[in-house]
Amino acid sequence: GENVGLHLPTLSVQEGDNSIINCAYSNSASDYFIWYKQESGKGPQFIIDIRSNMDKRQGQRVTVLLNKTVKHLSLQIAATQPGDSAVYFCAEKGGSARQLTFGSGTQLTVLP
Amino acid sequence: GAVVSQHPSRVICKSGTSVKIECRSLDFQATTMFWYRQFPKQSLMLMATSNEGSKATYEQGVEKDKFLINHASLTLSTLTVTSAHPEDSSFYICSAIAGAGQETQYFGPGTRLLVL
Repeated sequence: GENVGLHLPTLSVQEGDNSIINCAYSNSASDYFIWYKQESGKGPQFIIDIRSNMDKRQGQRVTVLLNKTVKHLSLQIAATQPGDSAVYFCAEKGGSARQLTFGSGTQLTVLP
Repeated sequence: GAVVSQHPSRVICKSGTSVKIECRSLDFQATTMFWYRQFPKQSLMLMATSNEGSKATYEQGVEKDKFLINHASLTLSTLTVTSAHPEDSSFYICSAIAGAGQETQYFGPGTRLLVL
């Protein structure tokens, strides 16, 4: 995920439906991935992480899927609620590096 | 656990003045803190990595003399925007890692800077 673009991709879902947010990452050496949620005017909030030795990890109402073959990461939110409306960022980290590289983000809007 | 605070939450200053932003880890010791800048509807851009007791490492294109970083203790890092100009107006966010071997970054609530 490169930090590119002057606008955020958007996803609108009906309340109660499931949401799937996708992220393509660029570094095949990345071995740790995180999803963050950022509400307007606030800092990013940790949602869930996954290491490269796994392809799926579940949390409360959220699931992260990792496909290393095509360098793709997804976040699934079950039974999406109005409070889930926010910008969601994927972030990757490789090896001994401590810095995260953030994707461009996706604006999720939950419709009533 | 893993709470990071920032102060102030927003600041308005005149062009040419300097502004200091504080980042604190409230319930853990942070050996490493990071400073990001975020423009509207864009992603987070890493500015610098701050290690306790040593000089900060700046990303390419970030002026170290303009964005002064001090990480004097395991719970506090400061970012000073010197001689601020309107183009420095942005959302500044810090994050912290809870110790060596840890990977998850916990973010502060951000500081909105507006330079008039």
